[in-house]
Amino acid sequence: NAGVMQNPRHLVRRRGQEARLRCSPMKGHSHVYWYRQLPEEGLKFMVYLQKENIIDESGMPKERFSAEFPKEGPSILRIQQVVRGDSAAYFCASSWDRVNTEAFFGQGTRLTVV
Amino acid sequence: AQSVSQHNHHVILSEAASLELGCNYSYGGTVNLFWYVQYPGQHLQLLLKYFSGDPLVKGIKGFEAEFIKSKFSFNLRKPSVQWSDTAEYFCASHGSSNTGKLIFGQGTTLQVKP
Repeated sequence: NAGVMQNPRHLVRRRGQEARLRCSPMKGHSHVYWYRQLPEEGLKFMVYLQKENIIDESGMPKERFSAEFPKEGPSILRIQQVVRGDSAAYFCASSWDRVNTEAFFGQGTRLTVV
Repeated sequence: AQSVSQHNHHVILSEAASLELGCNYSYGGTVNLFWYVQYPGQHLQLLLKYFSGDPLVKGIKGFEAEFIKSKFSFNLRKPSVQWSDTAEYFCASHGSSNTGKLIFGQGTTLQVKP
């Protein structure tokens, strides 16, 4: 059973470009969470999705960031018009239920904006 | 806002020394608590979790943690560390949310000297 797969592992974008980060959850998991880790900080929750639905996006910046988890295919975190401050490690986690269960994490995507 | 705090940001120990990493959470209700470890270049892995029951939780690789409700604490311990325990350790909580999103502490970098 493959774990949570994220790609790419490393992504370099120029300011103003778009960044697309992909996350394939573990088989059988329908709950996906995105977290961001800024330098010298802990992981911060961004968004929680359950197949085709955004359940909680309280941690998402109001502009330029969006997420989706379509019926088929991976979850996508999209950052439009990236700025230097978006440089961070973005982690995806999945679980089979929302409560009383553990989340499994991917290896993360390290985004560098130049 | 709910929070999780880790007291030690960087810990250096010699092999065979005992380890205790502090973690406090702010939420007063029912909480689920976790310790994750991130080895260099790898994804976050679950060390142990507490949902209910025995407040002394045994995890993988000889780690344990004790949930003390009166102190809002969930400290991680290991009697004798090894060089291979060098990693970053994160304490996390589900808090009051029913969505399964995790609130992380800032992380503690553990360096074990051979």
